[in-house]
Amino acid sequence: DQQVKQNSPSLSVQEGRISILNCDYTNSMFDYFLWYKKYPAEGPTFLISISSIKDKNEDGRFTVFLNKSAKHLSLHIVPSQPGDSAVYFCAATGSGGSNYKLTFGKGTLLTVNP
Amino acid sequence: DTGVSQDPRHKITKRGQNVTFRCDPISEHNRLYWYRQTLGQGPEFLTYFQNEAQLEKSRLLSDRFSAERPKGSFSTLEIQRTEQGDSAMYLCASSSSGGDRMLHTFGSGTRLTVV
Repeated sequence: DQQVKQNSPSLSVQEGRISILNCDYTNSMFDYFLWYKKYPAEGPTFLISISSIKDKNEDGRFTVFLNKSAKHLSLHIVPSQPGDSAVYFCAATGSGGSNYKLTFGKGTLLTVNP
Repeated sequence: DTGVSQDPRHKITKRGQNVTFRCDPISEHNRLYWYRQTLGQGPEFLTYFQNEAQLEKSRLLSDRFSAERPKGSFSTLEIQRTEQGDSAMYLCASSSSGGDRMLHTFGSGTRLTVV
């Protein structure tokens, strides 16, 4: 069962425009969410996170929105730059546990065209 | 500290051979994780250590897989009698026990190809 779903395998946007990546989850025990960026042949790099006590977290060009009732989160990148082209993974964990293992979606390949 | 280090970066092995991978976490981090990523999938949890104790193993970790973290520092992941289905990227991550304990820092991974 896919507990974290990223339904768009790919997304293409023009440089300077907004990129919106979406993520849905099914496990009600998840209360902390992270976005990772991954280039080929490298490990995932942490981008931004959000706790379930918040509905928005912003860091520079990156903003994550959380809608708990819909079990949905989204990552907004504004403005998008060619260097943002990578695979973006949504991940979730439950802070009530003790190991904090991450459950990942399948990723969305973002391509930002110059 | 330069982050999480994994060695080797790439490994090609023949089916049936044993392989061992090494992970050196960030020195202050007492939590260490192994994940596996196959093509088109996100990383999947394999196992977790807190200090030297292995506290959780995924059902993905068959009896051919064994992981250790002696003295709570570096960790090794061994795969015995490799199969073609073991071909994947093996990722190691570490985290602290502080306020950012849910934030995993990943290494660059070991790409295993079983031929």
